[in-house]
Amino acid sequence: LAKTTQPISMDSYEGQEVNITCSHNNIATNDYITWYQQFPSQGPRFIIQGYKTKVTNEVASLFIPADRKSSTLSLPRVSLSDTAVYYCLVSRGGSDKIIFGKGTRLHILP
Amino acid sequence: SQTIHQWPATLVQPVGSPLSLECTVEGTSNPNLYWYRQAAGRGLQLLFYSVGIGQISSEVPQNLSASRPQDRQFILSSKKLLLSDSGFYLCAWSLEGFGNQPQHFGDGTRLSIL
Repeated sequence: LAKTTQPISMDSYEGQEVNITCSHNNIATNDYITWYQQFPSQGPRFIIQGYKTKVTNEVASLFIPADRKSSTLSLPRVSLSDTAVYYCLVSRGGSDKIIFGKGTRLHILP
Repeated sequence: SQTIHQWPATLVQPVGSPLSLECTVEGTSNPNLYWYRQAAGRGLQLLFYSVGIGQISSEVPQNLSASRPQDRQFILSSKKLLLSDSGFYLCAWSLEGFGNQPQHFGDGTRLSIL
């Protein structure tokens, strides 16, 4: 599975758009990119998954360039409750395993 | 809708004592099941996963074991706990199939070894 690299921490302010970028240089053809959110003392929660271009749901957008070596999670108009750790993962089609990295600790300020 | 239950939420155990953590899933059949451990301030480490009853794959050699006696039940056990077994234990499920299925996590068990 491709290793992912993302910033250790980020700060932003309420109402701003937050973009968290993840690099996965060794991504394979049948790999997908998935993002999870984790609050303290809770299990991670699935946010969004994509393969290429752009995916949007009610919570976030995921931008994946043509070479797929990176991806950007975009959180529109964040609030204090978006303070959490965000994990970028690469998962392989046909495999039941995913590997969590250390994630990005996002801190939203008032 | 599907739900996942883990218990207990917190547990304090002495070194050398046995352990049994239970996880059950409702609302789906033949899920893939997973046990993770998370040390304080760290990412999640996959310990075991199962694609069916009695089928267990171990990712990390250690003094923990897992069992799946029923389709939607996953148990994490130890005969003798070590101090290094302290951590936040999470159970997760996903739909069976061709991978890339999102995993859905329980609320976790915080285990402290004294």
